[in-house]
Amino acid sequence: QKEVEQDPGPLSVPEGAIVSLNCTYSNSAFQYFMWYRQYSRKGPELLMYTYSSGNKEDGRFTAQVDKSSKYISLFIRDSQPSDSATYLCAMKSDYKLSFGAGTTVTVRA
Amino acid sequence: DVKVTQSSRYLVKRTGEKVFLECVQDMDHENMFWYRQDPGLGLRLIYFSYDVKMKEKGDIPEGYSVSREKKERFSLILESASTNQTSMYLCASTSAGAEIRETQYFGPGTRLLVL
Repeated sequence: QKEVEQDPGPLSVPEGAIVSLNCTYSNSAFQYFMWYRQYSRKGPELLMYTYSSGNKEDGRFTAQVDKSSKYISLFIRDSQPSDSATYLCAMKSDYKLSFGAGTTVTVRA
Repeated sequence: DVKVTQSSRYLVKRTGEKVFLECVQDMDHENMFWYRQDPGLGLRLIYFSYDVKMKEKGDIPEGYSVSREKKERFSLILESASTNQTSMYLCASTSAGAEIRETQYFGPGTRLLVL
């Protein structure tokens, strides 16, 4: 069983829709939870991070963590074609990050 | 702005060749990492280094070695390339500062094809 499970999609939504992405994990030692965005032929870039259960907002993005259920989510409101990318969840313990497989999202204009 | 650069964007090598992938970061980061990224598998950690001349195995070190002679440079070596090492290779770095800032900055990746 993988430490981090993420549905690879792909996910296709119309412009303006809410995008909902999620990951589950099995390792209780994970302390920090992150979402990375990766555009085609580029390296991942950090989008959001959080270390506690609850919600964190940054503009159109909301990251949600439920440690009791070992479940994290990312919501993108008012999605734009420029949000089309692969989104990877990542979780940290010690030096290392453990990544989900990534979900490919396409926002149709 | 943190900059992580990788020596090549695309590489084509033959089975059995020795392959060097170079990564350089310009932010004086202590920690550096090599991942490979494959469809459906996400990023998997190959090796990491938390100091010059120090290295630690990640989750999939078999068939790879690394070298860190200088703080800013971390090299990944495929001693004898095989077709199952065809992949996207990503280098990352991070400071050893406060936990909340310990995010990883990634290079653009090297897409390696082994024939």
